[in-house]
Amino acid sequence: DIQMTQSPASLSASLGETVTIECRASEDIYNGLAWYQQKPGKSPQLLIYNANSLHTGVPSRFSGSGSGTQYSLKINSLQSEDVASYFCQQYYDYPTFGGGTKLELK
Amino acid sequence: EVQLVESGGGLVQPGSPLKLSCAASGFTFSSNWLNWIRQAPGKGLEWVASINPDGSSTYYPDTVKGRFVVSKDNAKNTGYLQMNNLRSEDTAMYYCARTRGSDYFDYWGQGVMVTVSS
Repeated sequence: DIQMTQSPASLSASLGETVTIECRASEDIYNGLAWYQQKPGKSPQLLIYNANSLHTGVPSRFSGSGSGTQYSLKINSLQSEDVASYFCQQYYDYPTFGGGTKLELK
Repeated sequence: EVQLVESGGGLVQPGSPLKLSCAASGFTFSSNWLNWIRQAPGKGLEWVASINPDGSSTYYPDTVKGRFVVSKDNAKNTGYLQMNNLRSEDTAMYYCARTRGSDYFDYWGQGVMVTVSS
């Protein structure tokens, strides 16, 4: 199985700030990576796929980058509605998820 | 609008079976994969089953292989997850989700809770 290591586990940031979340795969996943946002009590929602493609309807302040084993999700100009948990997922092999990052407002 | 609605969850005793359903609408169900992902309370996400569009191939992680069976009825636009010999560690919110292929989960249901306890 491909292991996904996500960091940090939790993050506190101010409105308007830029936030970056990292995800490292245990082997090359050739950009087969997605990012999801999960708000409390809700199901996960797709943000980014293929490492850097924005899903339909997702605000442009979200962006993804990376290659090989290292990937990141960046949120520009943090908004209050961005408070959520974020998960990465690889689909190069049978799907596995990162442990998640809980984003809170400072 | 793509919609996935799970049902069938509840409280069951260890060793019992339970069958979840996932009703799909707003897209061509027969052309898409159907997947199940679970999330234990306060924990992360774990993929538990996938089935290809025509239902001819299924996939599972080792944690559920031999106990869970995924199926889909394209005529009814409904997917299923038959869970047998349930254990306390299967306690989780279960989500069904769509994929176009064996890739990212682009739409998710609202989830259904399964609690395994005596």
